[in-house]
Amino acid sequence: DADVTQTPRNRITKTGKRIMLECSQTKGHDRMYWYRQDPGLGLRLIYYSFDVKDINKGEISDGYSVSRQAQAKFSLSLESAIPNQTALYFCATSAPTEGGGRTEAFFGQGTRLTVV
Amino acid sequence: DAKTTQPNSMESNEEEPVHLPCNHSTISGTDYIHWYRQLPSQGPEYVIHGLTSNVNNRMASLAIAEDRKSSTLILHRATLRDAAVYYCILRAKGGTSYGKLTFGQGTILTVHP
Repeated sequence: DADVTQTPRNRITKTGKRIMLECSQTKGHDRMYWYRQDPGLGLRLIYYSFDVKDINKGEISDGYSVSRQAQAKFSLSLESAIPNQTALYFCATSAPTEGGGRTEAFFGQGTRLTVV
Repeated sequence: DAKTTQPNSMESNEEEPVHLPCNHSTISGTDYIHWYRQLPSQGPEYVIHGLTSNVNNRMASLAIAEDRKSSTLILHRATLRDAAVYYCILRAKGGTSYGKLTFGQGTILTVHP
């Protein structure tokens, strides 16, 4: 089984609909992240959470919200989907250390979202 | 956040070494240099990271310039499976960027049989 599992893997939704992307991890990590990737571009950070009570906006949080239901679960919601939110979405986790830069991140396989 | 600059694309032949460069002239003293790669239709995967000294692991080697303003990821013998987008990322040890990964556009590596 994958360490970081994203559901659904593919989704087509209509403009204006609310949609939730889910992420669960078995790594036991406190830190979780949501990124989006547009064709030909690198990943951009949407939201991140360093523990269940700590949620932070990333560089492109407008139009998105998140919920950290438990240490292992981090959901991304699009309250009212729009076509330019069509993208590949990745969830990631990492473990904290005394120096945050040392630890590697583990990514899920991605959710391909299409808003029509 | 400190930024990285990588070539858009590089090509290699199978079983030859590949040197992927990265410039990070504004790196701070506490930034770690991370490399990730993204295979087609997959999420990024960790390759290697370092702070000041050169690093080796089973996947690759990382050579870091003495002034830390540049680094090179070395794949010793490229295989077809190494064809991917390679991202050089600076990961902050502290401050407002603590622990976050900021991706650039990366280098698309093509490996020819």
